[in-house]
Amino acid sequence: QSALTQPASVSGSPGQSITISCTGITSDLGANKFVSWYQQHPGKAPKVLIFDVRVRPSGVSERFSGSISGNTASLTISGLQAEDEADYYCSSCTGSSTLVVFGGGTKLTVL
Amino acid sequence: EVHVVQSGAEVKTPGESLTISCQASGYDFASYLIAWVRQIPGKGLEWMGIIFPGDSDTTYSPSFQGHVTISADKSLTTAYLQWNSLKASDTAMYYCARQGSTGNFDFWGQGTLVTVSS
Repeated sequence: QSALTQPASVSGSPGQSITISCTGITSDLGANKFVSWYQQHPGKAPKVLIFDVRVRPSGVSERFSGSISGNTASLTISGLQAEDEADYYCSSCTGSSTLVVFGGGTKLTVL
Repeated sequence: EVHVVQSGAEVKTPGESLTISCQASGYDFASYLIAWVRQIPGKGLEWMGIIFPGDSDTTYSPSFQGHVTISADKSLTTAYLQWNSLKASDTAMYYCARQGSTGNFDFWGQGTLVTVSS
């Protein structure tokens, strides 16, 4: 699978919703698509927000949601807060392989 | 509770060898993949490869195949990333993370900064 494409930057005001796209998702032989999303604050390790396209780990705010349409996955953050300002990365693998590819990352600025 | 702890920062000169470590606890180490991820300063995340500690089976990204070696010691619940001859271009933060069966990384180490400079 080739590298995934994300917008370099997005911005929004507190309380608004934003969506980050991730293009280039491929499926395995069973037509399954596996996408995860990570948040990384400066100087910190990434943190998983979403896995398996739309599953939110326990402890992750409901303001974060994932979806997919065709070969493009999306991360939506609703009710933007100042603490959401960070870099966001998507990743994907095909179920038939353990190889993972990341998107280039998107810098979210909360205005 | 799962913990993943990496070894400390390293400063090396080009041509030197290096091994960094990643010790995991709080789960059955042998049963989960451990991945290594590179992040060059100011750049994005790059998946380097994985190891299944149960049988030490490894898979590398084509971009890193032949440049690094991933290994693990089940008895120490520790994974390793090794270079035989470092280059300045290896300067980066290196993270290890537990990788799930659908490619998600649920637990991450704190990162090891490797600086290679003459």
